[in-house]
Amino acid sequence: GAVVSQHPSWVICKSGTSVKIECRSLDFQATTMFWYRQFPKQSLMLMATSNEGSKATYEQGVEKDKFLINHASLTLSTLTVTSAHPEDSSFYICSANKRDLGTDTQYFGPGTRLTVL
Amino acid sequence: KNEVEQSPQNLTAQEGEFITINCSYSVGISALHWLQQHPGGGIVSLFMLSSGKKKHGRLIATINIQEKHSSLHITASHPRDSAVYICAVRLKGADGLTFGKGTHLIIQP
Repeated sequence: GAVVSQHPSWVICKSGTSVKIECRSLDFQATTMFWYRQFPKQSLMLMATSNEGSKATYEQGVEKDKFLINHASLTLSTLTVTSAHPEDSSFYICSANKRDLGTDTQYFGPGTRLTVL
Repeated sequence: KNEVEQSPQNLTAQEGEFITINCSYSVGISALHWLQQHPGGGIVSLFMLSSGKKKHGRLIATINIQEKHSSLHITASHPRDSAVYICAVRLKGADGLTFGKGTHLIIQP
């Protein structure tokens, strides 16, 4: 199956700093990637849809100036949490869309656990 | 009301038992996913369904589009099946997924 990696797998940072998370599709090209967030004991929530070469589409309630998404190539999307605060502590997961014979399948990264002190 | 409802929320069973997890949704969808999330958080996609039934090893997933309902079955369950199983749907016209809250499954030896 297809492989999606995320880096880093975990990060601890001080309040006010910015953190960049990378999502890579290792063996396929993904024109569309997705960023999700999961708070403890809650379901995953879609934050934004990242499209290669164009602006990301953010879900309602997600601040685009706080969560910067850059999909610079067909295999890489980055999420930057700017001026992070403790309430941004969460598990961030990306997925990449692979189109095969007209069918789209999402492959998930292993996630990044962000802790903001 | 959540667009995706799963039941049960928690399930503890003995090794070897047949397991069923249910998912109901209230809107039109183009696809339904069953995902497995282990304690470390990583997610594995088990199935993607738009109709009918799929089988992979001891796992079986079914979907009834008219009834807006899907089930995930595990035959001959094993402790290594212990995980959170998540139902997620792709709404018609959308690209991203909408998730259920998950079913926390524990299989005891």
